[in-house]
Amino acid sequence: EAQVTQNPRYLITVTGKKLTVTCSQNMNHEYMSWYRQDPGLGLRQIYYSMNVEVTDKGDVPEGYKVSRKEKRNFPLILESPSPNQTSLYFCASSLSGSYGYTFGSGTRLTVV
Amino acid sequence: GQQVMQIPQYQHVQEGEDFTTYCNSSTTLSNIQWYKQRPGGHPVFLIQLVKSGEVKKQKRLTFQFGEAKKNSSLHITATQTTDVGTYFCAGSDTGRRALTFGSGTRLQVQP
Repeated sequence: EAQVTQNPRYLITVTGKKLTVTCSQNMNHEYMSWYRQDPGLGLRQIYYSMNVEVTDKGDVPEGYKVSRKEKRNFPLILESPSPNQTSLYFCASSLSGSYGYTFGSGTRLTVV
Repeated sequence: GQQVMQIPQYQHVQEGEDFTTYCNSSTTLSNIQWYKQRPGGHPVFLIQLVKSGEVKKQKRLTFQFGEAKKNSSLHITATQTTDVGTYFCAGSDTGRRALTFGSGTRLQVQP
């Protein structure tokens, strides 16, 4: 089944403890992207990648890192999480920038 | 930077009534996409519009892209309870690869 898989689905962590949210797609898509969703703010793009080793900042990249070493994987790294990064995170992939995105099921992160 | 605004934020309708959500961009878009997110779910791609003035239909849903490629609308005819969810538009600037989402319109349908 064609899908984007994110892990974990839920995560509670403490301020400053490094964490990684994994994202994998099995559709051989070129584009991958991370979004955060907060009430009233819609979906805001954190980082996106157009291909292996090619990444660029979205609208809210501060406090996040990404890497794209393989086409299928696009992990999101929070080196030192803070409470304002408490949010619902979505990974998404697209065949190219001109096609619709397939979203993962989301990761609900709470930083205390 | 690019901004995409969507109105209304929320709409409550009786089943069978029509519904429309509007999307406006601060810049000219190369394309516009529409997504639906059910409560507790993830966004699901509905459609993409590329051409100026384009109109596309999916059963009871009609999507339009403005002549200036700066605005778009989604119209649902005779809403059903299965239409409940939040509808997002998302667009890319010409020349920019990132996709910017509007803040969404939450639709509630009263049976």
